[in-house]
Amino acid sequence: AQSVTQLGSHVSVSEGALVLLRCNYSSSVPPYLFWYVQYPNQGLQLLLKYTSAATLVKGINGFEAEFKKSETSFHLTKPSAHMSDAAEYFCAVSDESGGYNKLIFGAGTRLAVHP
Amino acid sequence: SQTIHQWPATLVQPVGSPLSLECTVEGTSNPNLYWYRQAAGRGLQLLFYSVGIGQISSEVPQNLSASRPQDRQFILSSKKLLLSDSGFYLCAWSVPGTLAHASSYEQYFGPGTRLTVT
Repeated sequence: AQSVTQLGSHVSVSEGALVLLRCNYSSSVPPYLFWYVQYPNQGLQLLLKYTSAATLVKGINGFEAEFKKSETSFHLTKPSAHMSDAAEYFCAVSDESGGYNKLIFGAGTRLAVHP
Repeated sequence: SQTIHQWPATLVQPVGSPLSLECTVEGTSNPNLYWYRQAAGRGLQLLFYSVGIGQISSEVPQNLSASRPQDRQFILSSKKLLLSDSGFYLCAWSVPGTLAHASSYEQYFGPGTRLTVT
């Protein structure tokens, strides 16, 4: 079965600094990969997705992620953090076990941005 | 465009009381529907999914049940709440079918319901 590991449950950066949120996946077939963001007391919103069209994927709010098959990684980055980026971020991998399409989510990484 | 609604937004219930949370989707037909729970400080736990009316599958045995009485309506219920049922409940939908394409995996989430069992 597919699985997702997000390294670091909490990440803290200064405003203007690079944001790097790590995601490693385990999949027996070429996967689709997703990053979602969750602001406090809200649902999840799609940031970006990897669909095999391009290994570098650009998303909303200046985020991007690079799919590296050799490293089984899909890390999320943003060159310059903004206070409004403070939220929880979830990486997810596609899965077909059980006969239906679903997503397997990582445990999440809470990003704090300080002045 | 498609929208997803959940209500209530917040709920405080005593232990042993019943529960009913509702989720509705607009702007699409025959969606796949999902119920997730987020306990405090924890990730997403898939509780139920449905590929059609009356078709419910449970991912985790528990004190909860789900029903899909209409195509775009998904209900999460309990006869007697436990303290451990507290959490943030999220409903999500995805496009119907089992196409091997990214769009068939992408899920769209509702605003969630915060449940506190006292």
